Amino acid sequence: DQQVKQNSPSLSVQEGRISILNCDYTNSMFDYFLWYKKYPAEGPTFLISISSIKDKNEDGRFTVFLNKSAKHLSLHIVPSQPGDSAVYFCAASAYGSARQLTFGSGTQLTVLP
Amino acid sequence: DAGVTQSPTHLIKTRGQQVTLRCSPKSGHDTVSWYQQALGQGPQFIFQYYEEEERQRGNFPDRFSGHQFPNYSSELNVNALLLGDSALYLCASSSSPGTGAVLGNTIYFGEGSWLTVV
Repeated sequence: DQQVKQNSPSLSVQEGRISILNCDYTNSMFDYFLWYKKYPAEGPTFLISISSIKDKNEDGRFTVFLNKSAKHLSLHIVPSQPGDSAVYFCAASAYGSARQLTFGSGTQLTVLP
Repeated sequence: DAGVTQSPTHLIKTRGQQVTLRCSPKSGHDTVSWYQQALGQGPQFIFQYYEEEERQRGNFPDRFSGHQFPNYSSELNVNALLLGDSALYLCASSSSPGTGAVLGNTIYFGEGSWLTVV
């Protein structure tokens, strides 16, 4: 039973346009959400996070939105750059879980020049 | 400042054998978690070590065991290897788990150890 789902295995976007990556979760105990980026032959790299007490967090070109009632979060990248091409993982953590992360299956983002 | 380092980077083992993977956490971090990432899937939590004890465990059989040393480095051991154990094994380090309040510190991953079981 997947508690964190990324239903789009892949996404292609033109350079300069917006990339929107989506993530859904089922566990109501999750209260902290993170996005990681992964290049081939490298470990996941932390990108941005959001606490359940917020509905938006921004860091440069990256913004994460959280809709708790829908149990949905999204990552917006504006403007998209070819260097953003990577696999993006959504992850969630529950209060008291000592930073145990539950990951989605990832979305391969390709930004076309 | 060294990040999370893992060894070996790649290895091939035969079914039934045992394997040990190693991890050194990022400087200043004292908590190590291990994840298994099968092809086409996201990382799955195996267990977490803090103060040389296993603190949390995911849904993995007892064939998976670990250890944390006084210098915070950690080992992951897998016994009686199965073909299905073939995966990328990721080590993640962070600061102490704390009370479970809002996650103030980020979690840093190593590049992983690719294990192939034949």
